[in-house]
Amino acid sequence: QSALAQPPSASGSPGQSVTISCTGTSSDVGAYNFVSWYQQHPGKAPKLLVYEVSERPSGVPDRFSGSKSGNTASLTVSGLQAEDEADYYCSSYAGSHNYVFGTGTKVTVL
Amino acid sequence: EVQLLESGGGLVQPGGSLRLSCAASGFTLGSYGMSWVRQAPGKGLEWVSAIYRGGSAYYADSVRGRFTISRDHSKSTLYLQMKSLRVEDTAVYYCVRDLKNYDILTAFPDWGQGTLVTVSS
Repeated sequence: QSALAQPPSASGSPGQSVTISCTGTSSDVGAYNFVSWYQQHPGKAPKLLVYEVSERPSGVPDRFSGSKSGNTASLTVSGLQAEDEADYYCSSYAGSHNYVFGTGTKVTVL
Repeated sequence: EVQLLESGGGLVQPGGSLRLSCAASGFTLGSYGMSWVRQAPGKGLEWVSAIYRGGSAYYADSVRGRFTISRDHSKSTLYLQMKSLRVEDTAVYYCVRDLKNYDILTAFPDWGQGTLVTVSS
């Protein structure tokens, strides 16, 4: 199972928005709505930001939003803040009891 | 509050074995699917293995036949037995709980702090 494709980096100034893409196939992202997004700060465990494409766990700000079209999912971070600087990973159920993560995107707040 | 505490990591030679443990609290271990996810130094996340409520176990191709996931309900502990370890198995291993109690992998809201496994001669 190949990793989902994400851009290596993305950036924006405070207050701006940044959108990260996550491209899979018709066997994973395109087939299931179990697409999630995680935020990881250096030396920390990942944190779930979005699940089932666009749902947010309690406590996650609504600045984080997810969507999906075909085989590509997206995470938009609106109103960028300094603490949003981190690595972001998408993930998807891939069928046959497999789970795949994205390659990761480093977000820099300029 | 859900807590997951991994232990058992360390330095092991190629071809060696190691058993990781994950002590779970704040929920009933057998009521949710549980997985191990790893992250090689400076690299991305990789799902390794899962065990569902009914005990069915699944593995990534990269570890199938070498790793075994199991759990002990009485100790509320998840395990990962790793054999025939390779240099490429070097990573931080995280214990994670699935969001849903479905028998598929949905999302991981709860993570342990991770335990480092280093495979080197």
